[in-house]
Amino acid sequence: EPEVTQTPSHQVTQMGQEVILRCVPISNHLYFYWYRQILGQKVEFLVSFYNNEISEKSEIFDDQFSVERPDGSNFTLKIRSTKLEDSAMYFCASTSGGTGELFFGEGSRLTVL
Amino acid sequence: RKEVEQDPGPFNVPEGATVAFNCTYSNSASQSFFWYRQDCRKEPKLLMSVYSSGNEDGRFTAQLNRASQYISLLIRDSKLSDSATYLCVVGERTYKYIFGTGTRLKVLA
Repeated sequence: EPEVTQTPSHQVTQMGQEVILRCVPISNHLYFYWYRQILGQKVEFLVSFYNNEISEKSEIFDDQFSVERPDGSNFTLKIRSTKLEDSAMYFCASTSGGTGELFFGEGSRLTVL
Repeated sequence: RKEVEQDPGPFNVPEGATVAFNCTYSNSASQSFFWYRQDCRKEPKLLMSVYSSGNEDGRFTAQLNRASQYISLLIRDSKLSDSATYLCVVGERTYKYIFGTGTRLKVLA
């Protein structure tokens, strides 16, 4: 069964450092997403990406965040200068856009010290 | 008003019980509706899509009321393995998906 894969599964970083989270969406999917979930809280939308550009982004997705699809298979989330409050689980998701079902990766847990 | 609202629970029910979860959404132009299940520290997984005509999958029944902007999930004959957080998810025309806060269910032996 096709799946979304994410790396790393867990990253620990110092405040102020840059972090790149990587995702490989399902190959025939067209829409890609990053969500984040702070421990014990809801799943929050960060950004959606379609046709090689950002479709929508939330208020959380400020200038410290960027996304890229560098090579047609990977989809990355970069946080330029991490803050303590960036500590969360980051989920990548994709959908074909047909039935609309979102498929999630297992998540990357980011811990900022 | 929050975009997607759910009662956070927790709902503690005995095995075999029937339990119902509700969800309301604020954007009347929303186009797709889902229930996802999330186990502790895991990714959300699709439980079922929700259609205007209502749909059933085994012990699970989902209903959508567009006029009231309300979605429901009914679980019959609860199993211990149903213990999880149930997430109401609403998709907008632009394929942006908004999650509710989730409702925690604990099924007790």
